[in-house]
Amino acid sequence: AQSVTQLDSQVPVFEEAPVELRCNYSSSVSVYLFWYVQYPNQGLQLLLKYLSGSTLVKGINGFEAEFNKSQTSFHLRKPSVHISDTAEYFCAVSEIGGNKLVFGAGTILRVKS
Amino acid sequence: DAMVIQNPRYQVTQFGKPVTLSCSQTLNHNVMYWYQQKSSQAPKLLFHYYDKDFNNEADTPDNFQSRRPNTSFCFLDIRSPGLGDAAMYLCATSRDPGVQETQYFGPGTRLLVL
Repeated sequence: AQSVTQLDSQVPVFEEAPVELRCNYSSSVSVYLFWYVQYPNQGLQLLLKYLSGSTLVKGINGFEAEFNKSQTSFHLRKPSVHISDTAEYFCAVSEIGGNKLVFGAGTILRVKS
Repeated sequence: DAMVIQNPRYQVTQFGKPVTLSCSQTLNHNVMYWYQQKSSQAPKLLFHYYDKDFNNEADTPDNFQSRRPNTSFCFLDIRSPGLGDAAMYLCATSRDPGVQETQYFGPGTRLLVL
């Protein structure tokens, strides 16, 4: 079975500063990895996903994440955040060939002016 | 715009009184999912439909049922809600099964049990 740990429940950051949201996973098999974002009063929206190939994945809104197999991590980064990036971010994992996403508990990103 | 719609956004029910949450989609996707998300916890998959085939997660309580009368609609029925069933319920769709397919989520229905 897979599991996901998002190490920070909340991350406050000033506008235009860089940010990293941490995600570690546990699995006995090879996995796919995902980041979803949930803006206030909206549903989850896919930011990016790693299925195979390059370990550096670029997503929407200037976000990127790097798959590190040895450290079982998939941290999300953005070099310069905006107020509009304030939201909750969820990391998720699934075994390759599976049909079930396992989510982390989420990290609330608060961008301050 | 194609989307996933959940009504109502907030639902209040009484302990033990059956309640139904609804989800509709204009994406014409084959797969529809229901997740439960309790406060400060991860969304947890309850079950999903691939077309008319129902797939229940092993740890989903029997109190939770689902119906999919057609491609566009899917319902979550809670037969006898308990206080522990208060949560946000998220509906999602994907074109095909398999997690490599992007899932599109609705805004959720927040259920309060009195």
